Amino acid sequence: RKEVEQDPGPFNVPEGATVAFNCTYSNSASQSFFWYRQDCRKEPKLLMSVYSSGNEDGRFTAQLNRASQYISLLIRDSKLSDSATYLCVVRGQNFVFGPGTRLSVLP
Amino acid sequence: ETGVTQTPRHLVMGMTNKKSLKCEQHLGHNAMYWYKQSAKKPLELMFVYNFKEQTENNSVPSRFSPECPNSSHLFLHLHTLQPEDSALYLCASSQTSRQGETQYFGPGTRLLVL
Repeated sequence: RKEVEQDPGPFNVPEGATVAFNCTYSNSASQSFFWYRQDCRKEPKLLMSVYSSGNEDGRFTAQLNRASQYISLLIRDSKLSDSATYLCVVRGQNFVFGPGTRLSVLP
Repeated sequence: ETGVTQTPRHLVMGMTNKKSLKCEQHLGHNAMYWYKQSAKKPLELMFVYNFKEQTENNSVPSRFSPECPNSSHLFLHLHTLQPEDSALYLCASSQTSRQGETQYFGPGTRLLVL
């Protein structure tokens, strides 16, 4: 089993849609969790950290379920500029990146 | 954003060449990382340095040789590479001592081996 797994994607959604990404991790000792976005041919950039109580940043909501070792990202009212690959990142001793889920928001 | 810089941004080299990639971080972090990202593949961790000491070598071939002279600078020396080594090479830094702190990436060096 891979350390971090994500929805295979790609997700193609119309503007304004709500889209949810799922991520599972295998190392129960993991302590920190993040979502990154990576635009085509660019470096990954931090989108948001994920806290145990769940957290929201504008149109983005992240949830963490430690018991199920599951992380989610919800994007509401999606924009064309949200098109990117979304990477789930889990930190134990090291940072472990998931394979990413590609999102295309269509006009 | 200039927190983590990398040079060169693009590099074309032959299989017999020797070249070096450079990374510099201006964030006061104490850990630095090299990653490889091949086309349509996930990020692969190559090396980790904490306080200038190498703490991770993820079974990377010896034709890749890292060097970390201080906490702000990281190099990746390349020699006798293969065409399959063509990829985006990303440097990152973080503060290791604090959980919850994340990594910051440089813009990467896009390498093509002919």
